[in-house]
Amino acid sequence: AQKVTQAQTEISVVEKEDVTLDCVYETRDTTYYLFWYKQPPSGELVFLIRRNSFDEQNEISGRYSWNFQKSTSSFNFTITASQVVDSAVYFCALSVASGAGSYQLTFGKGTKLSVIP
Amino acid sequence: GAGVSQSPSNKVTEKGKDVELRCDPISGHTALYWYRQSLGQGLEFLIYFQGNSAPDKSGLPSDRFSAERTGGSVSTLTIQRTQQEDSAVYLCASSPRDRYSYEQYFGPGTRLTVT
Repeated sequence: AQKVTQAQTEISVVEKEDVTLDCVYETRDTTYYLFWYKQPPSGELVFLIRRNSFDEQNEISGRYSWNFQKSTSSFNFTITASQVVDSAVYFCALSVASGAGSYQLTFGKGTKLSVIP
Repeated sequence: GAGVSQSPSNKVTEKGKDVELRCDPISGHTALYWYRQSLGQGLEFLIYFQGNSAPDKSGLPSDRFSAERTGGSVSTLTIQRTQQEDSAVYLCASSPRDRYSYEQYFGPGTRLTVT
């Protein structure tokens, strides 16, 4: 079975601070995919990034960066110079191929980020 | 382009009634998923459709839940004899399911309240 742990339930930072959201995953599959989604107060889940298990390259997209480390089964997300618009719940998720061919997402419980102006 | 759409956005029903929730996936996406989000359980997978293949129903919590996908596009999730524990936000997602792209794009959800 797959499991995703986001140990930080809530984080508050002051605007312009950097913040890192932690994600630890568990799977016995050697091929898997990792994701981050953002859920703003409006409620709609917004896809941010996908990572394949065979690609440990870190990624940067503007103020966002992701650190994937297979050795520690972690896929952490850093927001640099946070802004009020970053306030949301962030979900880390994992997918593997099921016997039925599905790639359903297993989500962590989410981290609620509040950026204070 | 148009994203995933769901209807209704909100549904209030009495315990014991049946409800139908609808999902229109992104055009061209062959994979469709239903999830539900509740305070107690977080985000849970319910069912998966891919093209004309048999659906993966492994996440459905009881036989009161069923879903169908007609013509490989629109999907309907039906909950019979609703219970209060069915109250949740029901999310639909679609995926292009091409060889290298498995990200899922979510709709706005249907908030179901069972009174």
